[in-house]
Amino acid sequence: DQQVKQNSPSLSVQEGRISILNCDYTNSMFDYFLWYKKYPAEGPTFLISISSIKDKNEDGRFTVFLNKSAKHLSLHIVPSQPGDSAVYFCAASPWNSGNTPLVFGKGTRLSVIA
Amino acid sequence: ETGVTQSPTHLIKTRGQQVTLRCSSQSGHNTVSWYQQALGQGPQFIFQYYREEENGRGNFPPRFSGLQFPNYSSELNVNALELDDSALYLCASSWSGAHEQYFGPGTRLTVT
Repeated sequence: DQQVKQNSPSLSVQEGRISILNCDYTNSMFDYFLWYKKYPAEGPTFLISISSIKDKNEDGRFTVFLNKSAKHLSLHIVPSQPGDSAVYFCAASPWNSGNTPLVFGKGTRLSVIA
Repeated sequence: ETGVTQSPTHLIKTRGQQVTLRCSSQSGHNTVSWYQQALGQGPQFIFQYYREEENGRGNFPPRFSGLQFPNYSSELNVNALELDDSALYLCASSWSGAHEQYFGPGTRLTVT
């Protein structure tokens, strides 16, 4: 039973355009969400996060949107660059405090084409 | 600031053997979590250590065990290795109370 779902295994986007990566969750106890980027032969790198008390968080080219009623979040990358090509993981944290395990989706492989 | 480091990078073991993986947490972080990432899957939580004690465990059998040392570094031990234990093992460190966890490069374990 997957609690965090990334239904698109892969996505291709042209350089300079917007990349939108989607994530759905089922557990209503999740209240903090994170996105990680992973290159081959490296560990996941923290990208951006959002608390359930917000619906948007922005950091440079990266914006995360949260729709609590739909249990859906998305990561927008604008403009996309070839260096953004990686696997992106959505993760959720079950309680409103730290020191809790992260629950990950299966990831979406983003390819940015020059 | 030193990031999370893990050793070894790669390891090949035979079914039934035992393995120890090591992790040094990022400077200043006092909490270490271990994850298993099978091919094509997201990382799955094994357990977490805080103040040298296990602070939560995922759905993994007791043959997966760990330690945390006073300097916050950690070990993951797996006994009686099975073929399905072949995976990337990731260590992540964090501040107590923080949601963000910072990952090391992982140890690729192959069980034959």
